[in-house]
Amino acid sequence: VQLVQSGAEVKEPGASVRVSCKASGYNFTDYFLHWLRQAPGQGLEWIGRIHPRAGVTRYLEKFQGRVTVTRDSSINTTYMELSGLRSEDTGVYYCARGGGQIISYFDIWGQGTLVAVSS
Amino acid sequence: DVVLTQSPLSLPVTLGQPASISCRSSQTLLHTYGTTFLNWFQQRPGHPPRRLIYNLSNRDSGVPERFSGSGSGTDFTLKISRVEAEDIGVYYCMQGSHWPPTFGPGTKLEIK
Repeated sequence: VQLVQSGAEVKEPGASVRVSCKASGYNFTDYFLHWLRQAPGQGLEWIGRIHPRAGVTRYLEKFQGRVTVTRDSSINTTYMELSGLRSEDTGVYYCARGGGQIISYFDIWGQGTLVAVSS
Repeated sequence: DVVLTQSPLSLPVTLGQPASISCRSSQTLLHTYGTTFLNWFQQRPGHPPRRLIYNLSNRDSGVPERFSGSGSGTDFTLKISRVEAEDIGVYYCMQGSHWPPTFGPGTKLEIK
């Protein structure tokens, strides 16, 4: 069971970034997939989630309107797109698996994707 | 949102000695389902977090028995019975009982 994320990105302020997360080793459509981030030297912040079967999403209020999480079940991949980037968005972005039939949080993590926002 | 407070924020320990990290919540974490969705994560330098304990006191697969979780309501504890060198890193508590999921600020465990 693993989650493999796309590579590091460098973006200018105001741009958008899309990070991918490919799942393997389990039934992709049975578990929530969450996105989190970690600013340099800081703690962890939850961004949002998707249930791949129905495509239903939910986001942290502070990211509403700026983040979109989607999935392509044909290739077991979810995507997190963040628009209107600012320097405060610099950090490592993680995908992590959530629960399936039962409530569960973050038992499997991707390796992380560094997003650097700089002019 | 539920605020999680951890103490201490820095924990120097001697190898072979026990260690304890406290996590306090601004609201009870006992869910209406009867489960306390309080989890503990370890993050080693340069690595993603790894879940150690889920739902208050259940060790994840492969987690050494020296790690244990306990507590109730708003007060929780992660204990390491005998610290080993590989335990160096930052430990986070995280709650999933209330929306949205939130994390504590982290406790940095270091060897004296």
